[in-house]
Amino acid sequence: GDSVTQMEGPVTLSEEAFLTINCTYTATGYPSLFWYVQYPGEGLQLLLKATKADDKGSNKGFEATYRKETTSFHLEKGSVQVSDSAVYFCALSGNDYKLSFGAGTTVTVRA
Amino acid sequence: ETGVTQTPRHLVMGMTNKKSLKCEQHLGHNAMYWYKQSAKKPLELMFVYSLEERVENNSVPSRFSPECPNSSHLFLHLHTLQPEDSALYLCASSQVAEVNTGELFFGEGSRLTVL
Repeated sequence: GDSVTQMEGPVTLSEEAFLTINCTYTATGYPSLFWYVQYPGEGLQLLLKATKADDKGSNKGFEATYRKETTSFHLEKGSVQVSDSAVYFCALSGNDYKLSFGAGTTVTVRA
Repeated sequence: ETGVTQTPRHLVMGMTNKKSLKCEQHLGHNAMYWYKQSAKKPLELMFVYSLEERVENNSVPSRFSPECPNSSHLFLHLHTLQPEDSALYLCASSQVAEVNTGELFFGEGSRLTVL
């Protein structure tokens, strides 16, 4: 079945550092790919998405490119802020109505 | 009220208790979901209701019983739970036709502790 594997955390960074969170997937067909973010004490919210190969999703300074050849969708941000501290989830949507999520990566940014 | 609201936010119960989690969405969506979030594990899809009909029961033990009385409300009835059921239970909603766009809207979750 469809699945997502993302790098284990936690990840701790200093402000203005570069952030990368790796995500790879296994799916049949042509899934859509997503990154969700969960800030402390809140529910998950959609951060960005890409619906076909080579698409780049971007939002709030974060970017991720759908790489079909490597089945990856790595999340990057060039200069993180304390407010980016959160749990980040990679997810995919296949041919049905279900989203398959990764285990989440906790990111802590220190001032 | 806007978005997806879950109550209670925290719940502690014994293994013999019966309790319920409630979810309400104010977004006009017609699909609702229960997910289980455990530490260091992928989110587990438990139940899906589409147009008030249950369309997914993802091998969830019968001690969890969902109810969807209308498109805005979703319940998760709990009875004779086990300590390993302790987790954050997340409710989400979407428009059925938009699920593949990833536009799920989540509540803040109900933190359940089973003693």
